[in-house]
Amino acid sequence: GQQVMQIPQYQHVQEGEDFTTYCNSSTTLSNIQWYKQRPGGHPVFLIQLVKSGEVKKQKRLTFQFGEAKKNSSLHITATQTTDVGTYFCAGAGSYQLTFGKGTKLSVIP
Amino acid sequence: GAGVSQSPSNKVTEKGKDVELRCDPISGHTALYWYRQSLGQGLEFLIYFQGNSAPDKSGLPSDRFSAERTGGSVSTLTIQRTQQEDSAVYLCASSPGTSGGWETQYFGPGTRLLVL
Repeated sequence: GQQVMQIPQYQHVQEGEDFTTYCNSSTTLSNIQWYKQRPGGHPVFLIQLVKSGEVKKQKRLTFQFGEAKKNSSLHITATQTTDVGTYFCAGAGSYQLTFGKGTKLSVIP
Repeated sequence: GAGVSQSPSNKVTEKGKDVELRCDPISGHTALYWYRQSLGQGLEFLIYFQGNSAPDKSGLPSDRFSAERTGGSVSTLTIQRTQQEDSAVYLCASSPGTSGGWETQYFGPGTRLLVL
């Protein structure tokens, strides 16, 4: 079945440093979604990418969908303590989403 | 309207007892999902309901786990003869169900289950 791998599993950064998490699928995706889960909270939808090579920005967050629609990345510029949490990608295959295991981001003030 | 709600928010039970977890999806959402998240881990898919179709049970870890959805709305996840390894947060999500199973999912706050 479809598998979605996400790296790194953990990332510790100093406040102000950049952060990137990568997502790779074993199969071509219809779309990819990104979710953020704050500590003690539940996953909250951030964005959806549909087109090959698509790039979307939300303030300091930049999301990219690969040309082959099998990989994606989330880049955060100049991290802040409010960015702390686990970021999940979720790949849409034939009929359902498959979530990656997430990247847990810690920001050291 | 209101988001996805789940009850109870916390449940402590003894090994061997049965538990029922409830999920109220967003009104009008026909797709409903259950996930399990162990401490510090990712989301483990359990089961997916779409309208009146037969549910996708491919993620249920054992026959001790079952779920039903009455009237296409509220869902109950039942775990029989609970084991300590069942301790986790059980998350429910719903989506409109109009664009296939890969729509944006809206998560509830989860039920934190602890099996002693």
